[in-house]
Amino acid sequence: DQQVKQNSPSLSVQEGRISILNCDYTNSMFDYFLWYKKYPAEGPTFLISISSIKDKNEDGRFTVFLNKSAKHLSLHIVPSQPGDSAVYFCAANFNAGGTSYGKLTFGQGTILTVHP
Amino acid sequence: NAGVTQTPKFRILKIGQSMTLQCTQDMNHNYMYWYRQDPGMGLKLIYYSVGAGITDKGEVPNGYNVSRSTTEDFPLRLELAAPSQTSVYFCASSKGPYNEQFFGPGTRLTVL
Repeated sequence: DQQVKQNSPSLSVQEGRISILNCDYTNSMFDYFLWYKKYPAEGPTFLISISSIKDKNEDGRFTVFLNKSAKHLSLHIVPSQPGDSAVYFCAANFNAGGTSYGKLTFGQGTILTVHP
Repeated sequence: NAGVTQTPKFRILKIGQSMTLQCTQDMNHNYMYWYRQDPGMGLKLIYYSVGAGITDKGEVPNGYNVSRSTTEDFPLRLELAAPSQTSVYFCASSKGPYNEQFFGPGTRLTVL
């Protein structure tokens, strides 16, 4: 049972346009969400996060939106650059009864390709 | 400041062999994690630790063991390697449960 899903395996966009990556989750015990970027043969690197008490967080070209009622979050990259081409993972932090240990559940990833 | 380092980068094991994947962080983080990533899949949590001497199982702990004797080191032990353990293994650390996790470069393990 996959609790965090990224239903688009890949996304291709033109340089300068907006990239929108989507993520759905099923567990209402998730209280903190993160996006990671991963290049081949490297470890994931943190991009941006959002607490479940917020619906938007922005950092430069990256904005994450959270819709708790729909259990959906999205990452917007504007404008997209060729260097953004990578695999993007969303991850959710599980909070059990007010206690969290940073136990992340990851989606399968979306391969973003930004064409010059 | 090296961040999170992992050794080895690559390893081929025969079925039934054992090995230890090393992980060290120099950021004085209390929280450390081991994940595995299978092809086309997301990362899955194997074990985690919230401080020296404290470890607990994650989502997929079978076939693995960990120890945490110091803040810096969090080795992952594979006993009796099986082909199902062929994967890329990532170690991560964070300051706290709601802080970003910093990942190492990974160890690519093949069990034949």
